[in-house]
Amino acid sequence: TQLLEQSPQFLSIQEGENLTVYCNSSSVFSSLQWYRQEPGEGPVLLVTVVTGGEVKKLKRLTFQFGDARKDSSLHITAAQPGDTGLYLCAGEDDYKLSFGAGTTVTVRA
Amino acid sequence: DADVTQTPRNRITKTGKRIMLECSQTKGHDRMYWYRQDPGLGLRLIYYSFDVKDINKGEISDGYSVSRQAQAKFSLSLESAIPNQTALYFCATSAAGAHHEQFFGPGTRLTVL
Repeated sequence: TQLLEQSPQFLSIQEGENLTVYCNSSSVFSSLQWYRQEPGEGPVLLVTVVTGGEVKKLKRLTFQFGDARKDSSLHITAAQPGDTGLYLCAGEDDYKLSFGAGTTVTVRA
Repeated sequence: DADVTQTPRNRITKTGKRIMLECSQTKGHDRMYWYRQDPGLGLRLIYYSFDVKDINKGEISDGYSVSRQAQAKFSLSLESAIPNQTALYFCATSAAGAHHEQFFGPGTRLTVL
């Protein structure tokens, strides 16, 4: 059983459209991290959110941590082909990470 | 040069063989981790080590063992490989403390026939 549920599993959109990926759990985490992974490579950190209700923006990417620190979302505005990849959320508990299954995002030119 | 390196990058082996995957890091981090990645399951923690004398089981340690030879080196062994251990294996490192980023190696693709 996955501790963190990510949805949707797959997402295919046209360049310029917006998208949102969700990460939900019944567990409380001390932080929530988002990683992006490209084929043949390891995951790379995008952001860490720590405080309940926190919102972080990185250019066209907006990350939100739920008030209860159980869920998070990633919103991409005006997606570009370079945003294509596997997006993974990871909840931190006792200095270890539990990962969701990931959302495969494809942005078509 | 890469901060976290893994060898080999690809390996095909047969059922029952012993195999070792190696990880080295130049980031000076105390903490090291081994994960496996399977389609639709994300990354699952196999073992982790918070310093040279510390070894801890993760979520799926059965069938695996590890050795922390030095701060910079952490190896994963499959004593008797079986087909359902076919997966992508990642090593990662992080600094001590809370909320720290994990830095991943490029992965080892292991196939057990």
